[in-house]
Amino acid sequence: GAVVSQHPSWVICKSGTSVKIECRSLDFQATTMFWYRQFPKQSLMLMATSNEGSKATYEQGVEKDKFLINHASLTLSTLTVTSAHPEDSSFYICSARGGPQQETQYFGPGTRLLVL
Amino acid sequence: GQNIDQPTEMTATEGAIVQINCTYQTSGFNGLFWYQQHAGEAPTFLSYNVLDGLEEKGRFSSFLSRSKGYSYLLLKELQMKDSASYLCAVLKSSASKIIFGSGTRLSIRP
Repeated sequence: GAVVSQHPSWVICKSGTSVKIECRSLDFQATTMFWYRQFPKQSLMLMATSNEGSKATYEQGVEKDKFLINHASLTLSTLTVTSAHPEDSSFYICSARGGPQQETQYFGPGTRLLVL
Repeated sequence: GQNIDQPTEMTATEGAIVQINCTYQTSGFNGLFWYQQHAGEAPTFLSYNVLDGLEEKGRFSSFLSRSKGYSYLLLKELQMKDSASYLCAVLKSSASKIIFGSGTRLSIRP
């Protein structure tokens, strides 16, 4: 149990376009989902926390108008990178809490974004 | 604020034992996680300690001392596939979010 999927697994786009990443909890209801970003050889940096049916809480320094988060249901959260630029190229990972161990976050496989 | 420290890199020999330490300073501490992350992949859950003491799970064990702000992950009978980054992470009760350390890259040599 506690499987989290992400789609797409990788995406290449032109500068200025918007990219949507989906995060789904497949076999449990996720009361809270988290979005992280990871640059090469660095640790995970929390971007935002999203709760179903409410606005996301963004970490300091993360632009909420650039990284739009929608947590429409207990099994789906989406992150949209608007007007992407090369510096947004990174590994984006979501996690979901609510599985067998309530405090544990289960991670999706990640989405690698490359902005040209 | 919070501060989570762990060594950047470690090397160990196949079949041996290695201990990865983690110290933390944070308000509202609720528990400590260890995750394993292979290059290019998402982290996978290893352990979660809330109370002081040692928890053993197969070849992996995790220890926590809340009073000292200290934890370690112990890996026994090392295998080549254990080469990965090991992330120490703290659960903050106030915000219910996990804050990650910078990770320890463990290399296993034959």
